[in-house]
Formats: sequence, structure tokens, C-alpha cells
Amino acid sequence: AQSVSQHNHHVILSEAASLELGCNYSYGGTVNLFWYVQYPGQHLQLLLKYFSGDPLVKGIKGFEAEFIKSKFSFNLRKPSVQWSDTAEYFCAVNARGRTNFGNEKLTFGTGTRLTIIP
Amino acid sequence: DAGITQSPRYKITETGRQVTLMCHQTWSHSYMFWYRQDLGHGLRLIYYSAAADITDKGEVPDGYVVSRSKTENFPLTLESATRSQTSVYFCASSTSGRWVREQFFGPGTRLTVL
Repeated sequence: AQSVSQHNHHVILSEAASLELGCNYSYGGTVNLFWYVQYPGQHLQLLLKYFSGDPLVKGIKGFEAEFIKSKFSFNLRKPSVQWSDTAEYFCAVNARGRTNFGNEKLTFGTGTRLTIIP
Repeated sequence: DAGITQSPRYKITETGRQVTLMCHQTWSHSYMFWYRQDLGHGLRLIYYSAAADITDKGEVPDGYVVSRSKTENFPLTLESATRSQTSVYFCASSTSGRWVREQFFGPGTRLTVL
């Protein structure tokens, strides 16, 4: 079974700083990768996703992520954060398989809480 | 477009009581999921369903029961609530297909078991 590690539990940055949140997964096969964001008091929303093709994926609100297959990583980046980026960020992975049922599950990391100081 | 809704949004109950959390989606998505969110654990899958009358256990199914008689509804029942089931519960749905698509999440239900 796949697993996802987010080593940064809480990150505190000043506005305009650059951001990189780590995400590593363990699974030997082909994967779909996701980053979700949860703003305070709200539900999870999709930031970006990777299925195939260009390993550098751009999402909403200026976020991007790079899939590095050799490192089993899918780190989230943003060149200049804003106070409104304060939220919890979750990396998730889905392992592709040959069957339809059972591969639709997402495995989530434990999340990284991001606090942006104005 | 209502999307995916959950009710109630907040619930306080006592140990031993039965509680049902409702989830309703208007997209006709085949797949539906129940997660619980706890500090330090992220989101953990409780149960999921590929279609009406097809359900399967996730990572933490003990103490929970689900049913899916209609595509749009996926209720989660705590048969005899325990304090350890105090959590925020999220329902999600996604389209069918060979590879998973993104999951769309509901607003969550905050459950407190006293």
C-alpha cells in the first residue's frame, strides 16, 4: 500500500518569502499526485494535480509542484507567499492499477500548517 | 449547483448513542468517500463506495457503518459513539473512470462525543 510523508508539520513565513513544502510517497508503480489546501474553517480544495506529462504542474493561486520520479517526491512551491495563503496543505497520492475498483482511493499525508506573517 | 453537502455541520452527542452523518451530492458522481480528520493524522479514509450498493472499508472502519441505496446519498452511522470518534468528518465524491480524478469535498461535520 502507498504512504505519503509530509515532513514539515508547521511552517512560518513572512509575506513575500518563497515557499517549498515537501511531499514524499512510497509506491513503486505509477501514481497520480495531488495537493489540496484547507483554509481555516473550510473544506479541502484542490490546488493542483499530476497525472502524466510535464512533471512541473501549475495550479491555482500561483502554486506549482514538481514531480521527481527518482526521488518519489512532489514538492509544492510558490515564489512569493501572501497572508491569504495561511492554511493547511495536504499532499495525496493515488496508485494506478489495472483494475478499476480499489484504485480510486487517495492516501493523504498528515498535512503541513502554513502560517504567513504580514 | 449545490455540489456536495453534509448535515449536520455540528453535532454533540453522548457516548453510546447512535449518530448518523448525512452526505448528499448533486453531480451523480459514482464514487463517494468518508474521511475523518484528526490533528497529527491528516485525513484517514473510513469507508468508500464505487456505486449504489457497493461499499468497502477504508483505513479506519471500526465502529462505523455505511450504506448507499441511492447514488447521491452516502450516510455514515456511528452505531455506538465513543469519545475517540470525536473528529471532523468529511465526505467526498469523484467521477468514475480507470484512473482516479480529483475528489470534491463537502464542508465537513464537526462531531463531539461527550
